[in-house]
Amino acid sequence: RKEVEQDPGPFNVPEGATVAFNCTYSNSASQSFFWYRQDCRKEPKLLMSVYSSGNEDGRFTAQLNRASQYISLLIRDSKLSDSATYLCVVNDYTGGFKTIFGAGTRLFVKA
Amino acid sequence: DTAVSQTPKYLVTQMGNDKSIKCEQNLGHDTMYWYKQDSKKFLKIMFSYNNKELIINETVPNRFSPKSPDKAHLNLHINSLELGDSAVYFCASSQDIPGGPVADTQYFGPGTRLTVL
Repeated sequence: RKEVEQDPGPFNVPEGATVAFNCTYSNSASQSFFWYRQDCRKEPKLLMSVYSSGNEDGRFTAQLNRASQYISLLIRDSKLSDSATYLCVVNDYTGGFKTIFGAGTRLFVKA
Repeated sequence: DTAVSQTPKYLVTQMGNDKSIKCEQNLGHDTMYWYKQDSKKFLKIMFSYNNKELIINETVPNRFSPKSPDKAHLNLHINSLELGDSAVYFCASSQDIPGGPVADTQYFGPGTRLTVL
């Protein structure tokens, strides 16, 4: 099992759609979680951190389920500008710091 | 102002050469990183480094070595370049949180596209 696994994608959705991405991680001791966004030929940028209580930032909602070792990202009312690759990131601190990126899920939002 | 900068943006070189990529951050962060993103777009950490500890991903060949002249810089030296080294290399930095671990956001540089011919 990969340390961090994401939906393979790509997701092709119309503008205005709601889309959900999933991510699972293998180390139950992982301690911090993030969603990053990467546009084509650009660097990854933080979209949002993910907390156990869940957190929302405008049209974006992130959830963490520690029992199932599962992270999700929900995008409501998709915009053309949301087209990008979404990367799930997990930080482990047991036995030394380790940061692991998922392979990413590609999203295409079409008019 | 650019928070994390890398030079050069593009690097084309021959197999067997030795090259360096420079990274600078003006965020005052304690930890810096190097990542490799290959043609399949998979982003893998190569090194993380602060003034206390260098953590090396054991899969990284020893032809790759990070050099940190000071806290704001982490350069990547690559010896005897191989075709498989062609990729985009990203530098990143983050701030240590006292008493951590807590969420430590990483800020990425714009990347260096390395092509080995």
